[in-house]
Amino acid sequence: GESVGLHLPTLSVQEGDNSIINCAYSNSASDYFIWYKQESGKGPQFIIDIRSNMDKRQGQRVTVLLNKTVKHLSLQIAATQPGDSAVYFCAENISGTYKYIFGTGTRLKVLA
Amino acid sequence: GAGVSQTPSNKVTEKGKYVELRCDPISGHTALYWYRQSLGQGPEFLIYFQGTGAADDSGLPNDRFFAVRPEGSVSTLKIQRTERGDSAMYLCASSLTAGALETQYFGPGTRLLVL
Repeated sequence: GESVGLHLPTLSVQEGDNSIINCAYSNSASDYFIWYKQESGKGPQFIIDIRSNMDKRQGQRVTVLLNKTVKHLSLQIAATQPGDSAVYFCAENISGTYKYIFGTGTRLKVLA
Repeated sequence: GAGVSQTPSNKVTEKGKYVELRCDPISGHTALYWYRQSLGQGPEFLIYFQGTGAADDSGLPNDRFFAVRPEGSVSTLKIQRTERGDSAMYLCASSLTAGALETQYFGPGTRLLVL
């Protein structure tokens, strides 16, 4: 099927290496953030979230870091696998609302 | 349990035609959202339902777009007089309740192509 994000920034990593995907968010009033993974032809899949009262949260093979001072979010994937190849989006939730604003996305390519 | 489902997965139509896109949210989720995603972009908000009512339709691009959720579960996004610029992936998401700090879970999307 047609790929999502043909003109997205691309991060290429060797299988087994760690990946770091970055996101700059826009609104200082945002207090909840989600990382989504989107494979070609599919909808975004929830990976991990973090609230603004935290600066780090760990999941299975993934870690999200939040730096509110510079409005920066990162997703770290340990021991990257071929199945991690996808487009990754960060989404910010404006405080007190249901609205999410999505970042542009980063394509992760895992090299065998 | 079952996730959000959307039908059809792909829809090809001609300019000027009417289309309906369907979304089945996760059972028990009261909030439902429609997004549109163009190639190379993140999803953009269209409309949000809390129960049966459209709580916020500020993202709908014009009056050719309309959505309903008559029984507070399944929703249909309707597009009249389609234009080539409407071609995109249309995504539906649901959350347990409405409001802040609620994770939205997405369906697989409907890819619409207007010829």
